[in-house]
Amino acid sequence: KNQVEQSPQSLIILEGKNCTLQCNYTVSPFSNLRWYKQDTGRGPVSLTIMTFSENTKSNGRYTATLDADTKQSSLHITASQLSDSASYICVVNTGGENKLTFGTGTQLKVEL
Amino acid sequence: KAGVTQTPRYLIKTRGQQVTLSCSPISGHRSVSWYQQTPGQGLQFLFEYFSETQRNKGNFPGRFSGRQFSNSRSEMNVSTLELGDSALYLCASSPFEAGGDGANVLTFGAGSRLTVL
Repeated sequence: KNQVEQSPQSLIILEGKNCTLQCNYTVSPFSNLRWYKQDTGRGPVSLTIMTFSENTKSNGRYTATLDADTKQSSLHITASQLSDSASYICVVNTGGENKLTFGTGTQLKVEL
Repeated sequence: KAGVTQTPRYLIKTRGQQVTLSCSPISGHRSVSWYQQTPGQGLQFLFEYFSETQRNKGNFPGRFSGRQFSNSRSEMNVSTLELGDSALYLCASSPFEAGGDGANVLTFGAGSRLTVL
C-alpha cells in the first residue's frame, strides 16, 4: 500500500531557529515529491518539487532534500519566522492510477 | 489572475441533509480535484474531473459525488450527511490531470468548512 509518513506530527520552535521536517514514503513507482505549506484557513501552496534525479532544491529559506534510495525527504527551514507557522504537507506522485499520495502533515508553530 | 474560488466558505448542516459545494478553477485549467481534510486523516482524495469526465476516484462511499461543467467549474455533493463528514473540503485545479507527470502543480482553493450537527 502506498503510504507517506511525516514526522514530527507537531513542532514548536523559537523565532530565528532552524528546523527540519521529515517525510518517508513507501510508494512505487515514484515520479516526484512535492512539499506544500498550508496556512490556517487557507489551501495548501506548493513550496518545492523534487524529481528522482534531484537531491536538493531551495526556495528562499526552505530547502528540500530527497534520497530516492531510502525513500526519504526532508524540508529544512532556516531562520524561522512567525509566518512559517503552518502545516507542511508532503505529497508523492506515484504516477500510478491514484497518482497522488498525501502525508498527514507536520504542524509547525514558531513562537517569539 | 484569479485563484481557485470555493463557495460557500462555511456551512452548517444536520445529519441526513445533503450539501453541494462549488469550485471555480483558475481560468484555463481543465482539471479539478476534490479532497477531504480532517485533523486525524490529513488530505484524502475524493475524485478528479478533467474535461467534464471523472478520471479518478478515491475510496469514499457513493454518498459523495461530483460533476464538472463545460466551463470547468465543478460541484461536489454529499447526500445523507453523517457526523463524520464534518471536514474542510478543498478543491484544486491544474492545467492537466492532477497526478500528471513532471512539474504539474495543484493550485488549491481556501476550502469549504462543513460542520454536521
